[in-house]
Amino acid sequence: DQQVKQNSPSLSVQEGRISILNCDYTNSMFDYFLWYKKYPAEGPTFLISISSIKDKNEDGRFTVFLNKSAKHLSLHIVPSQPGDSAVYFCAALNNAGNMLTFGGGTRLMVKP
Amino acid sequence: KAGVTQTPRYLIKTRGQQVTLSCSPISGHRSVSWYQQTPGQGLQFLFEYFSETQRNKGNFPGRFSGRQFSNSRSEMNVSTLELGDSALYLCASQIAGALNEQFFGPGTRLTVL
Repeated sequence: DQQVKQNSPSLSVQEGRISILNCDYTNSMFDYFLWYKKYPAEGPTFLISISSIKDKNEDGRFTVFLNKSAKHLSLHIVPSQPGDSAVYFCAALNNAGNMLTFGGGTRLMVKP
Repeated sequence: KAGVTQTPRYLIKTRGQQVTLSCSPISGHRSVSWYQQTPGQGLQFLFEYFSETQRNKGNFPGRFSGRQFSNSRSEMNVSTLELGDSALYLCASQIAGALNEQFFGPGTRLTVL
């Protein structure tokens, strides 16, 4: 039973346009959410996070939105750049802070 | 500051064998977590060690085990390998506390034939 789901395995976007990556979760005990970016042959790197008490967090071109009632979060990248092409994972941290549950990942391809 | 290092980077084993993977955390980091990444499954949490003690464990069979040494380096062991154990095994470290400030290593790609 996957508690964190990324229903789109891949997404293709034109350079300069917006990329929207989605993530759904089922466990209402999740307290903190993170997005990671992964290039081939490298480990995931932290991108942006959001606490469950907020509904939006912005960092440069990256914005994460959290809709607690829908148990849904999304990552917006504006404008998208070819260097953003990677696999993006969303992750949820339990309220004890001792377990991180990841989604299956979405492969983003930004075309020049 | 050197990042998280994992050895070996690639490994090929046959069914029934056992394997040990190694992870050296960032200097000063005392928490080490292990994850298994398979296509479509994302990263699945194996276990986390802090100060040589396992603090938490994911839903994996007992064939998967780990330990942490006094210098914070960690090893994970998989015994009686199965074909389904083929995966990328990732190690992540952080200073302490909640698992929201982890730095990942590049992973060890294990192939079981």
